[in-house]
Amino acid sequence: GAGVSQSPSNKVTEKGKDVELRCDPISGHTALYWYRQSLGQGLEFLIYFQGNSAPDKSGLPSDRFSAERTGGSVSTLTIQRTQQEDSAVYLCASSQDSLSRLFGPGTRLTVL
Amino acid sequence: AQSVTQPDIHITVSEGASLELRCNYSYGATPYLFWYVQSPGQGLQLLLKYFSGDTLVQGIKGFEAEFKRSQSSFNLRKPSVHWSDAAEYFCAVGPNSGGYQKVTFGTGTKLQVIP
Repeated sequence: GAGVSQSPSNKVTEKGKDVELRCDPISGHTALYWYRQSLGQGLEFLIYFQGNSAPDKSGLPSDRFSAERTGGSVSTLTIQRTQQEDSAVYLCASSQDSLSRLFGPGTRLTVL
Repeated sequence: AQSVTQPDIHITVSEGASLELRCNYSYGATPYLFWYVQSPGQGLQLLLKYFSGDTLVQGIKGFEAEFKRSQSSFNLRKPSVHWSDAAEYFCAVGPNSGGYQKVTFGTGTKLQVIP
């Protein structure tokens, strides 16, 4: 596609459930990032994938969060045993040059 | 460690008025600097970026920003604001070393445009 796509656009879940968020980056972009935007907060870096290298997971807030990138393309962010503080907009971005990145529209996660 | 401060959480301007959004950064050398805009329900869109050279950078939608090393600032400006400019604006800083870099974002400034 022409841009980064994310699904679902909105997700409402109950506390304790697992959720999966999907990101389709721009074709050919080797770098992929996940960010979290909580209410009143800036963008919080979560995880970074670059090609076939081991991902940089230094931003993941807890071991309930994990992400995969299959075949160097699509990525899935998984949150296990969701908590209310996980409610946020989760943004995915991809880039070619590791600096200027193109963002997807985000997934708004609400944990009840 | 690098950091970004956007001191204004919320700004209201009249349509047609000029705009300046403030951004201050902390970084040990010359950084890479960015401004992004996030319209309601949209992802972030890059407005402009500074890597090197001319300190006055032109971006899309009539925006410009000026890198001032002495003030550690990278303020975003527009001479005449349009109602469609209402959005949230994020300043970001990244190190200028080669290879992978983490870009740090500010907390954003929400712009309201009144008729």
